[in-house]
Amino acid sequence: DQQVKQNSPSLSVQEGRISILNCDYTNSMFDYFLWYKKYPAEGPTFLISISSIKDKNEDGRFTVFLNKSAKHLSLHIVPSQPGDSAVYFCAAANQGGKLIFGQGTELSVKP
Amino acid sequence: EAGVVQSPRYKIIEKKQPVAFWCNPISGHNTLYWYLQNLGQGPELLIRYENEEAVDDSQLPKDRFSAERLKGVDSTLKIQPAELGDSAVYLCASSLGTSGRRTNTQYFGPGTRLTVL
Repeated sequence: DQQVKQNSPSLSVQEGRISILNCDYTNSMFDYFLWYKKYPAEGPTFLISISSIKDKNEDGRFTVFLNKSAKHLSLHIVPSQPGDSAVYFCAAANQGGKLIFGQGTELSVKP
Repeated sequence: EAGVVQSPRYKIIEKKQPVAFWCNPISGHNTLYWYLQNLGQGPELLIRYENEEAVDDSQLPKDRFSAERLKGVDSTLKIQPAELGDSAVYLCASSLGTSGRRTNTQYFGPGTRLTVL
């Protein structure tokens, strides 16, 4: 039972354009959501988060949108840079703090 | 500030052999996590410690896996005996705490890639 799903295993974007990574969840008890970025041979690195009381959080080139009614969140990267090429994981947490991760989306930003 | 340290980075063993992984969390982080990451999947929690107490080990296969965090700082995860299906990346993470959103952001180490032959 996959409670957090990233249905696109990969995404390819041209440098300078927008990257949109999507994530769906099934458990309505999740109230905090995070995005992590992972380079090969490294551990995941925290990128940005959003609480369920908000529908948008922005940090520089990264914006996360939350649609609670659709149980959907997305990460927008504008403009995309070659250094953004990595695997992106979304994760969801409930009040207990346990993180449930999606399967990841591999983003490739081409020069 | 040093990040989460894990060793070894890579380990190759024969099946049925024991193996151990070590983790040193970020200084001051009370909460420590061990995750398993299979190829093409996200990390899955094995065990969570609050200081030296294991507060969530529901996903830890206790017949062959064990973990300890004796002094509430560094931790060891052990597999004995290892099976072919244990080949994966074992990640350690730490956070300041689990109460309050600013404190429960988890910071990951580089992981140990285990190959069981």
